[in-house]
Amino acid sequence: GNSVTQMEGPVTLSEEAFLTINCTYTATGYPSLFWYVQYPGEGLQLLLKATKADDKGSNKGFEATYRKETTSFHLEKGSVQVSDSAVYFCALSAYSGAGSYQLTFGKGTKLSVIP
Amino acid sequence: NAGVTQTPKFQVLKTGQSMTLQCAQDMNHNSMYWYRQDPGMGLRLIYYSASEGTTDKGEVPNGYNVSRLNKREFSLRLESAAPSQTSVYFCASSAEGGANYGYTFGSGTRLTVV
Repeated sequence: GNSVTQMEGPVTLSEEAFLTINCTYTATGYPSLFWYVQYPGEGLQLLLKATKADDKGSNKGFEATYRKETTSFHLEKGSVQVSDSAVYFCALSAYSGAGSYQLTFGKGTKLSVIP
Repeated sequence: NAGVTQTPKFQVLKTGQSMTLQCAQDMNHNSMYWYRQDPGMGLRLIYYSASEGTTDKGEVPNGYNVSRLNKREFSLRLESAAPSQTSVYFCASSAEGGANYGYTFGSGTRLTVV
């Protein structure tokens, strides 16, 4: 079956530090890949996505590149801010039949950024 | 544009009580989903509805039932609540099955079963 593995947290960084959150996946076919962010007390919001190999998704200074050869989709940001403190989820979308695609999520990585 | 609306936001139940979690979307999406989120477990799919009139089990369906009332609404029912169902529940919807667009999530229902 499909699965997503992401680095365990929590991750604590100082403001302006470089961020990497590793994500690898197992899937049949050619899934689409996503990063979601969850701020405290809120639902998940789509942060960025990539739908085919070598695509780079980007948003709000975050980037991730779809690497088919290493089955990876690592999240990076060059300079984090306190407002980036949240839980980050890597996910893949794969066909589940009956015209529906299902998202499979990693377990989430909690990021705390300190001033 | 409200997106995905869940009610209630918080609920406390006694073991054995029943309740229905409501979800509605106003984006004309075909597919809708119910997830539960538990510490260290990520999000796990309970049930989904690929289109109006169809529902299917996800990874953890035991103890739950769902109804796709119409294209907008997808409810989750706990017939006899158990402490193991204490969790945060999220409803989500997607266009065209979600292949390239991902899902839009509601803000969640925090359920405690005592």
